Amino acid sequence: EAGVAQSPRYKIIEKRQSVAFWCNPISGHATLYWYQQILGQGPKLLIQFQNNGVVDDSQLPKDRFSAERLKGVDSTLKIQPAKLEDSAVYLCASSLVGGSGTGELFFGEGSRLTVL
Amino acid sequence: GQQVMQIPQYQHVQEGEDFTTYCNSSTTLSNIQWYKQRPGGHPVFLIQLVKSGEVKKQKRLTFQFGEAKKNSSLHITATQTTDVGTYFCAGPRDTGRRALTFGSGTRLQVQP
Repeated sequence: EAGVAQSPRYKIIEKRQSVAFWCNPISGHATLYWYQQILGQGPKLLIQFQNNGVVDDSQLPKDRFSAERLKGVDSTLKIQPAKLEDSAVYLCASSLVGGSGTGELFFGEGSRLTVL
Repeated sequence: GQQVMQIPQYQHVQEGEDFTTYCNSSTTLSNIQWYKQRPGGHPVFLIQLVKSGEVKKQKRLTFQFGEAKKNSSLHITATQTTDVGTYFCAGPRDTGRRALTFGSGTRLQVQP
């Protein structure tokens, strides 16, 4: 079974530039998450999708971050303009159903962003 | 908002020694999950606990969910170098929300 695919694996940009990350979840997984993991910290939820609808985006900095999952399958996370503090690994995860104990989260390898 | 804290932040043990990490939530959890992240890797699911006082074992790993469902622990017996990594607990976010809030993690280093 193919896992969660993410690209790019690494990205270096200068502050105020924009960047986009792509995620393709495991086939058949209705729920997709984007997490931000700053070095030395636990993953922090940015946004949760159920099919193509947003379930939770309360921690997404909406002035600069946006995400979409138009067809309920793959998803894109965008940052514009980037700040130095956005340097982190952006993890995409999927689960068969909602994440509240009804299923494990499967994570992708992550996209490491460095903002200079 | 909900907070999930873990202690210790870091532990260095000699191979063969035991290791325990503790997880505490500011709110009662309907369930708790544990993940392991190897250096440079991504979190990988280990287990889910649902019932109050539940204890589950996976080979040398023992997971426990507290009676009040606000704390949990992971104990590793006779650590091996393959146990190196960061262990995270995670619980569902606030009531009505379903995504997981991850703890701060405990980084385990095992000296051969």
